[in-house]
Amino acid sequence: DQQVKQNSPSLSVQEGRISILNCDYTNSMFDYFLWYKKYPAEGPTFLISISSIKDKNEDGRFTVFLNKSAKHLSLHIVPSQPGDSAVYFCAASAWRGSTLGRLYFGRGTQLTVWP
Amino acid sequence: SQTIHQWPATLVQPVGSPLSLECTVEGTSNPNLYWYRQAAGRGLQLLFYSVGIGQISSEVPQNLSASRPQDRQFILSSKKLLLSDSGFYLCAWVTGLKNYGYTFGSGTRLTVV
Repeated sequence: DQQVKQNSPSLSVQEGRISILNCDYTNSMFDYFLWYKKYPAEGPTFLISISSIKDKNEDGRFTVFLNKSAKHLSLHIVPSQPGDSAVYFCAASAWRGSTLGRLYFGRGTQLTVWP
Repeated sequence: SQTIHQWPATLVQPVGSPLSLECTVEGTSNPNLYWYRQAAGRGLQLLFYSVGIGQISSEVPQNLSASRPQDRQFILSSKKLLLSDSGFYLCAWVTGLKNYGYTFGSGTRLTVV
């Protein structure tokens, strides 16, 4: 049962434009959400996170939006750069849950930024 | 500083052979540790997690096993590899309560032939 879903396996964007990566979740107990970036043959690296008490968090070119009523979050990258080309994973956690610290991941979205 | 080490980086093993992947963490104590696998075309699948020495929880029934012989050591094993065990294996630990998240190791690319 996929509790975190990334329905777009790939996204292609021109350099300088906005990239929007989407993520949906089903578990209403999730209260912390993260985005990870992964290059081939490397471990994922943390990008940005948001708590369920907020609806927006911004860090430089990266902004994460959370819509709790729709159980949806998105990652905006503005402006997109070729170095942003990677697989992006959405993840969620429920601190109130029994497995402290466990993250549930989506299947990832391959972002390609072309010049 | 807090770091995570994972080895080997790549591994090619024949079907039916044993497996041992090791993960160690430095700079922290009693971390929650995780083994994930990324198979081709799929997301990150949680295999095992451990909240302490000797404490292992399995998420997916398979021919893999995990052990935690020391506080900062997490080992993934198999007695007999299958072709379907091929994938990219990642060790991770939870880095803290503030802006918490996983720190991942660099991964092991396992190819079973």
